Amino acid sequence: DARVTQTPRHKVTEMGQEVTMRCQPILGHNTVFWYRQTMMQGLELLAYFRNRAPLDDSGMPKDRFSAEMPDATLATLKIQPSEPRDSAVYFCATSRTSFSEQFFGPGTRLTVL
Amino acid sequence: GNSVTQMEGPVTLSEEAFLTINCTYTATGYPSLFWYVQYPGEGLQLLLKATKADDKGSNKGFEATYRKETTSFHLEKGSVQVSDSAVYFCALTPNRDDKIIFGKGTRLHILP
Repeated sequence: DARVTQTPRHKVTEMGQEVTMRCQPILGHNTVFWYRQTMMQGLELLAYFRNRAPLDDSGMPKDRFSAEMPDATLATLKIQPSEPRDSAVYFCATSRTSFSEQFFGPGTRLTVL
Repeated sequence: GNSVTQMEGPVTLSEEAFLTINCTYTATGYPSLFWYVQYPGEGLQLLLKATKADDKGSNKGFEATYRKETTSFHLEKGSVQVSDSAVYFCALTPNRDDKIIFGKGTRLHILP
């Protein structure tokens, strides 16, 4: 049963610290998305990649967020420095091709104190 | 631009009641339409989809019909269960675009 995995599932950190979230796409999926979900804003697209190349990161605060795909089995989302307003659930989702179903990971719940 | 509007929640129903969650969209071209469901503590998962006008998507007793004339994709279920309690997201992908555009979600509570 192929699934998207995300680590860590929960992260509590203090303001100013670096946070790294990781995502392992389903094997064979070439498109990877990062979303952020909060009660106030709902689900927001932060960035996405196709074949490891970034296609759109316009939803991401560039001064503190960065997203990369060092290889086909790993996508990372980093926040440096973190702020309390970054507290949210961060989801990774992957899809096989354009227009196809997105498969979501279980999310990383981030709390910045 | 492309957008999805769905009814605000929460929606609270008794078990075995009929469910409708309204969704309308604005899109250029010929979008594909989706309903995703998010159970507590989990990520979203695809519930059903329709890729062209008049298509009906169905899964787990849920149905939605792609209505181009009214730009709608309303979600329906004839008899809901407590286990259907979740947040439901209407979404679309514009033609030739990878990104899914999600609505704000509708929280559904089913009372036993």
